[in-house]
Amino acid sequence: EAQVTQNPRYLITVTGKKLTVTCSQNMNHEYMSWYRQDPGLGLRQIYYSMNVEVTDKGDVPEGYKVSRKEKRNFPLILESPSPNQTSLYFCASSLSGTFFRETQYFGPGTRLLVL
Amino acid sequence: GEDVEQSLFLSVREGDSSVINCTYTDSSSTYLYWYKQEPGAGLQLLTYIFSNMDMKQDQRLTVLLNKKDKHLSLRIADTQTGDSAIYFCAEGEGYSTLTFGKGTMLLVSP
Repeated sequence: EAQVTQNPRYLITVTGKKLTVTCSQNMNHEYMSWYRQDPGLGLRQIYYSMNVEVTDKGDVPEGYKVSRKEKRNFPLILESPSPNQTSLYFCASSLSGTFFRETQYFGPGTRLLVL
Repeated sequence: GEDVEQSLFLSVREGDSSVINCTYTDSSSTYLYWYKQEPGAGLQLLTYIFSNMDMKQDQRLTVLLNKKDKHLSLRIADTQTGDSAIYFCAEGEGYSTLTFGKGTMLLVSP
């Protein structure tokens, strides 16, 4: 089954404690992306990757890191989480990042609470 | 920077038509999209329109684009309770990045 998986689905942590949210896709997609969704702000792109070892900043990259060492994985790293990073995070992937002619598959979301 | 605005909430009765509106600021946007997010799920692409088109119809969905006013709308005919969801308008050049609106929550009552 074609899917994007994220782990963990729910996480409660404390300020400053490094964490990683994993994202994996099984569709051999080149393009992967991270979004955060906040009430009243909608969906905002954090980082995206057009291929292995190629990553670029989205609209809200501050406080986040990503890596793309393998095609299937695109982890989101919060080196020193802060309460303003409390949010719902979505990972997504598509074949090449050409959105109008291919489906962008979204993961189930990771709900993060930073105390 | 780019900005996409939507009304936050719409309530309709089952069987009525729903119209969700969106305005955007980036005149260079090549593609405009509508995504649907059901409760507890990620987003799914409903439809898109190329910027040189005025209208696109896909079964119960009609997308209208007024490029002069930078206004996009999504009409859902014969709205069903299963259409209750959050609808996001998004714009972009067609690849790599998308700018999303804040989302419109559509509530369909029986």
